[in-house]
Amino acid sequence: RKEVEQDPGPFNVPEGATVAFNCTYSNSASQSFFWYRQDCRKEPKLLMSVYSSGNEDGRFTAQLNRASQYISLLIRDSKLSDSATYLCVVTGSTGTASKLTFGTGTRLQVTL
Amino acid sequence: DTGVSQNPRHKITKRGQNVTFRCDPISEHNRLYWYRQTLGQGPEFLTYFQNEAQLEKSRLLSDRFSAERPKGSFSTLEIQRTEQGDSAMYLCASSLVAGEQYFGPGTRLTVT
Repeated sequence: RKEVEQDPGPFNVPEGATVAFNCTYSNSASQSFFWYRQDCRKEPKLLMSVYSSGNEDGRFTAQLNRASQYISLLIRDSKLSDSATYLCVVTGSTGTASKLTFGTGTRLQVTL
Repeated sequence: DTGVSQNPRHKITKRGQNVTFRCDPISEHNRLYWYRQTLGQGPEFLTYFQNEAQLEKSRLLSDRFSAERPKGSFSTLEIQRTEQGDSAMYLCASSLVAGEQYFGPGTRLTVT
Protein backbone atom coordinates (compact mmCIF):
# COMPACT_ATOMS: atom_id res chain seq x y z
CA ARG A 1 0.00 0.00 0.00
CA LYS A 2 1.31 3.45 -0.91
CA GLU A 3 1.97 5.83 1.96
CA VAL A 4 -0.17 8.55 0.36
CA GLU A 5 -2.93 7.61 -2.07
CA GLN A 6 -4.74 9.93 -4.44
CA ASP A 7 -7.07 9.50 -7.38
CA PRO A 8 -4.88 10.49 -10.36
CA GLY A 9 -7.85 11.90 -12.31
CA PRO A 10 -7.99 13.75 -14.58
CA PHE A 11 -10.84 15.80 -13.25
CA ASN A 12 -12.31 17.83 -16.10
CA VAL A 13 -14.55 20.63 -14.82
CA PRO A 14 -16.06 23.75 -16.38
CA GLU A 15 -14.97 27.17 -15.25
CA GLY A 16 -16.89 28.22 -12.15
CA ALA A 17 -17.44 24.69 -10.87
CA THR A 18 -16.60 23.42 -7.42
CA VAL A 19 -14.27 20.45 -7.30
CA ALA A 20 -13.01 18.33 -4.42
CA PHE A 21 -9.93 16.14 -4.14
CA ASN A 22 -9.25 13.58 -1.46
CA CYS A 23 -6.30 11.60 -0.30
CA THR A 24 -5.57 9.02 2.37
CA TYR A 25 -2.32 8.36 4.20
CA SER A 26 -1.13 5.22 5.91
CA ASN A 27 1.17 6.47 8.70
CA SER A 28 -1.00 7.40 11.66
CA ALA A 29 2.02 9.11 13.27
CA SER A 30 2.38 11.63 10.42
CA GLN A 31 2.75 15.09 11.85
CA SER A 32 2.10 17.68 9.16
CA PHE A 33 -0.01 17.81 6.04
CA PHE A 34 0.04 19.95 2.93
CA TRP A 35 -1.31 20.45 -0.54
CA TYR A 36 1.23 21.36 -3.19
CA ARG A 37 0.44 22.40 -6.74
CA GLN A 38 2.54 21.39 -9.74
CA ASP A 39 2.13 22.85 -13.20
CA CYS A 40 3.21 20.83 -16.20
CA ARG A 41 7.02 20.46 -16.30
CA LYS A 42 7.45 22.84 -13.37
CA GLU A 43 8.46 22.37 -9.76
CA PRO A 44 5.92 21.74 -6.97
CA LYS A 45 4.78 24.84 -5.07
CA LEU A 46 3.21 24.93 -1.64
CA LEU A 47 -0.50 25.70 -1.94
CA MET A 48 -1.53 25.42 1.70
CA SER A 49 -1.01 23.63 4.96
CA VAL A 50 -3.81 21.42 6.28
CA TYR A 51 -5.09 21.48 9.85
CA SER A 52 -7.65 19.39 11.72
CA SER A 53 -9.71 22.52 12.33
CA GLY A 54 -9.87 23.12 8.60
CA ASN A 55 -8.43 26.13 6.88
CA GLU A 56 -9.40 28.37 4.03
CA ASP A 57 -7.39 30.51 1.65
CA GLY A 58 -9.61 32.39 -0.74
CA ARG A 59 -11.34 29.85 -2.98
CA PHE A 60 -9.41 26.93 -1.46
CA THR A 61 -10.44 24.98 1.64
CA ALA A 62 -8.42 22.15 3.14
CA GLN A 63 -9.48 19.68 5.80
CA LEU A 64 -7.77 16.95 7.77
CA ASN A 65 -9.47 14.00 9.48
CA ARG A 66 -6.82 12.31 11.64
CA ALA A 67 -9.15 9.52 12.77
CA SER A 68 -9.82 8.46 9.17
CA GLN A 69 -6.34 9.48 7.95
CA TYR A 70 -7.99 11.48 5.22
CA ILE A 71 -7.17 14.88 3.71
CA SER A 72 -9.31 16.94 1.38
CA LEU A 73 -9.03 20.01 -0.81
CA LEU A 74 -12.04 21.94 -2.09
CA ILE A 75 -11.71 24.49 -4.88
CA ARG A 76 -14.67 26.81 -5.41
CA ASP A 77 -15.38 28.89 -8.52
CA SER A 78 -12.68 27.12 -10.56
CA LYS A 79 -10.54 29.25 -12.87
CA LEU A 80 -8.70 28.20 -16.01
CA SER A 81 -5.49 29.01 -14.12
CA ASP A 82 -6.33 26.33 -11.53
CA SER A 83 -5.48 23.65 -14.12
CA ALA A 84 -2.56 21.76 -12.63
CA THR A 85 -1.68 18.64 -10.67
CA TYR A 86 -2.49 18.81 -6.96
CA LEU A 87 -0.16 16.81 -4.73
CA CYS A 88 -1.21 15.59 -1.30
CA VAL A 89 1.80 15.65 1.03
CA VAL A 90 2.51 14.38 4.54
CA THR A 91 5.57 14.52 6.74
CA GLY A 92 6.76 11.59 8.79
CA SER A 93 6.64 10.90 12.48
CA THR A 94 9.20 12.27 14.92
CA GLY A 95 12.69 11.60 13.54
CA THR A 96 11.48 11.63 9.97
CA ALA A 97 9.43 14.75 10.31
CA SER A 98 11.47 16.64 7.76
CA LYS A 99 10.97 14.52 4.70
CA LEU A 100 7.90 15.04 2.57
CA THR A 101 5.99 12.04 1.25
CA PHE A 102 4.00 12.90 -1.86
CA GLY A 103 1.02 11.25 -3.42
CA THR A 104 1.06 10.72 -7.16
CA GLY A 105 -1.08 13.81 -7.64
CA THR A 106 -4.55 14.52 -8.98
CA ARG A 107 -4.71 16.27 -12.31
CA LEU A 108 -7.27 19.03 -12.72
CA GLN A 109 -8.28 20.47 -16.08
CA VAL A 110 -10.61 23.47 -15.99
CA THR A 111 -12.31 24.21 -19.30
CA LEU A 112 -14.33 27.07 -20.76
CA ASP B 1 15.46 36.04 -8.11
CA THR B 2 16.16 34.78 -4.57
CA GLY B 3 14.55 31.36 -4.95
CA VAL B 4 16.20 27.94 -5.08
CA SER B 5 18.39 27.51 -8.14
CA GLN B 6 19.64 24.31 -9.74
CA ASN B 7 22.25 23.68 -12.38
CA PRO B 8 22.29 22.35 -14.96
CA ARG B 9 18.62 22.42 -15.95
CA HIS B 10 19.08 19.56 -18.39
CA LYS B 11 21.71 16.86 -18.63
CA ILE B 12 22.02 14.14 -21.24
CA THR B 13 24.63 11.51 -20.51
CA LYS B 14 25.60 8.08 -21.67
CA ARG B 15 25.11 5.06 -19.48
CA GLY B 16 28.11 4.49 -17.25
CA GLN B 17 29.14 8.15 -17.03
CA ASN B 18 29.19 10.16 -13.80
CA VAL B 19 27.08 13.29 -13.40
CA THR B 20 26.96 16.01 -10.76
CA PHE B 21 24.15 18.43 -10.05
CA ARG B 22 24.27 21.59 -7.98
CA CYS B 23 21.62 23.21 -5.81
CA ASP B 24 21.76 26.69 -4.30
CA PRO B 25 19.08 27.06 -1.61
CA ILE B 26 17.36 30.21 -0.42
CA SER B 27 20.13 31.93 1.53
CA GLU B 28 18.63 31.93 5.02
CA HIS B 29 17.35 28.33 4.80
CA ASN B 30 19.36 25.82 6.83
CA ARG B 31 17.50 22.74 5.60
CA LEU B 32 18.10 21.29 2.14
CA TYR B 33 16.45 18.30 0.48
CA TRP B 34 16.88 16.27 -2.68
CA TYR B 35 13.97 14.50 -4.39
CA ARG B 36 13.59 12.53 -7.58
CA GLN B 37 10.48 12.62 -9.77
CA THR B 38 9.56 10.38 -12.69
CA LEU B 39 6.67 10.88 -15.10
CA GLY B 40 3.26 10.42 -13.53
CA GLN B 41 4.63 10.14 -10.00
CA GLY B 42 5.03 12.53 -7.13
CA PRO B 43 8.53 13.48 -5.99
CA GLU B 44 10.34 10.82 -3.94
CA PHE B 45 12.59 11.82 -1.06
CA LEU B 46 16.30 11.08 -1.49
CA THR B 47 18.19 12.88 1.27
CA TYR B 48 18.11 15.76 3.74
CA PHE B 49 20.71 18.14 5.18
CA GLN B 50 20.48 20.42 8.16
CA ASN B 51 23.32 22.86 7.71
CA GLU B 52 26.25 20.67 6.57
CA ALA B 53 25.05 17.49 8.30
CA GLN B 54 23.34 14.84 6.20
CA LEU B 55 20.62 13.67 8.61
CA GLU B 56 18.55 11.30 6.55
CA LYS B 57 18.98 9.16 3.44
CA SER B 58 16.34 7.17 1.61
CA ARG B 59 16.95 3.56 0.69
CA LEU B 60 16.43 4.85 -2.87
CA LEU B 61 19.85 6.45 -2.54
CA SER B 62 22.03 3.55 -3.65
CA ASP B 63 25.78 3.57 -3.17
CA ARG B 64 26.11 5.10 -6.65
CA PHE B 65 24.54 8.27 -5.29
CA SER B 66 26.31 10.70 -3.01
CA ALA B 67 25.28 14.12 -1.78
CA GLU B 68 27.26 16.80 0.00
CA ARG B 69 26.70 20.19 1.51
CA PRO B 70 30.22 21.12 2.52
CA LYS B 71 29.71 24.56 4.03
CA GLY B 72 26.04 24.38 4.80
CA SER B 73 25.17 26.47 1.77
CA PHE B 74 25.02 24.91 -1.71
CA SER B 75 24.73 21.17 -2.21
CA THR B 76 25.83 18.71 -4.87
CA LEU B 77 24.31 15.40 -5.87
CA GLU B 78 26.57 13.00 -7.76
CA ILE B 79 25.48 9.87 -9.56
CA GLN B 80 28.25 7.48 -10.52
CA ARG B 81 28.01 4.89 -13.30
CA THR B 82 24.62 6.16 -14.45
CA GLU B 83 21.96 3.69 -15.54
CA GLN B 84 18.92 4.26 -17.74
CA GLY B 85 16.72 3.91 -14.66
CA ASP B 86 18.34 7.03 -13.25
CA SER B 87 16.57 9.14 -15.89
CA ALA B 88 14.30 11.48 -13.94
CA MET B 89 13.84 15.03 -12.73
CA TYR B 90 16.06 15.74 -9.72
CA LEU B 91 14.52 18.38 -7.49
CA CYS B 92 16.16 20.32 -4.71
CA ALA B 93 14.20 22.09 -1.99
CA SER B 94 15.06 24.23 1.00
CA SER B 95 13.22 25.36 4.10
CA LEU B 96 13.45 27.04 7.47
CA VAL B 97 10.89 24.72 9.00
CA ALA B 98 10.03 21.13 8.17
CA GLY B 99 7.22 20.81 5.66
CA GLU B 100 7.10 24.23 4.05
CA GLN B 101 9.67 23.49 1.43
CA TYR B 102 10.51 25.63 -1.56
CA PHE B 103 11.57 23.78 -4.66
CA GLY B 104 14.02 24.67 -7.38
CA PRO B 105 13.22 24.21 -11.08
CA GLY B 106 14.93 20.81 -11.14
CA THR B 107 17.58 19.13 -13.26
CA ARG B 108 16.20 16.79 -15.90
CA LEU B 109 18.55 13.86 -16.42
CA THR B 110 18.37 11.65 -19.49
CA VAL B 111 20.61 8.60 -19.59
CA THR B 112 21.01 7.14 -23.07
